Amino acid sequence: DGGITQSPKYLFRKEGQNVTLSCEQNLNHDAMYWYRQDPGQGLRLIYYSQIVNDFQKGDIAEGYSVSREKKESFPLTVTSAQKNPTAFYLCASGPRVGYTFGSGTRLTVV
Amino acid sequence: AQTVTQSQPEMSVQEAETVTLSCTYDTSESNYYLFWYKQPPSRQMILVIRQEAYKQQNATENRFSVNFQKAAKSFSLKISDSQLGDTAMYFCAFMKQHGGATNKLIFGTGTLLAVQP
Repeated sequence: DGGITQSPKYLFRKEGQNVTLSCEQNLNHDAMYWYRQDPGQGLRLIYYSQIVNDFQKGDIAEGYSVSREKKESFPLTVTSAQKNPTAFYLCASGPRVGYTFGSGTRLTVV
Repeated sequence: AQTVTQSQPEMSVQEAETVTLSCTYDTSESNYYLFWYKQPPSRQMILVIRQEAYKQQNATENRFSVNFQKAAKSFSLKISDSQLGDTAMYFCAFMKQHGGATNKLIFGTGTLLAVQP
C-alpha cells in the first residue's frame, strides 16, 4: 500500500543533542513538507521541498535542517539550536493539491 | 499573508445530532482551495472534505458538508448524524490555487469535537 512512513513514533532528546526524524513516501509525490504541532497553535510549516535537491524554509525553520537527496525521503534534523523542540512533528507529501500525512513523531526533551 | 481562524476551541454534540464547526479566513487571492482535516486520538491527519473557491456549489462527502461563503470568507463544516468515531480535532486549512512552488497548506488552530453517547 502506498503511504508515508514516519519513524520513530516517539523520540527523546537530551539537551544539546541533534536528532533526526525520518520521513519516507512511496506515493511518487514530488512535494514533501514538515509541520510542527503544538497545543493551541495548529500546524506550523517548518520546511518544504518541491523537487529533489531543493527545499525552502517555512514559517518556523530556525533550529531545524532538512535534506532531499531522494524523491522518497525528506528527513528532518532538530538541532541543538532549537530551544523548544518538544512537539509533535508531522510529515506530508502531495501532488499539487491534496496532502497525505504520516502518522507523526512525538519528540520530547529530557 | 493568508490567515485561517477557528474561533471554537472545543465543541460537544450528542450522538446522532448535527454540529457545525466554524472557520473564517483572510486572503486577497481569488482562486484557492479550502479543506477540513480530522485528527482523531491516533493523531493521523485525515482529509474530510475539500472545496475549490471557483465552485459555487458546496462540497459534500456523506455526512459531512460545508457552507462556503466566499464574500464573507467563511467555510463552516456541518457534521450530520454525529457518530462516536467523529470525536477528533478538526482543522480548517487554506491553499492558494496558483501557488507555484509554494503550495503550502495554512492551518487554523483547530476545534476539538467531542461526540457524547
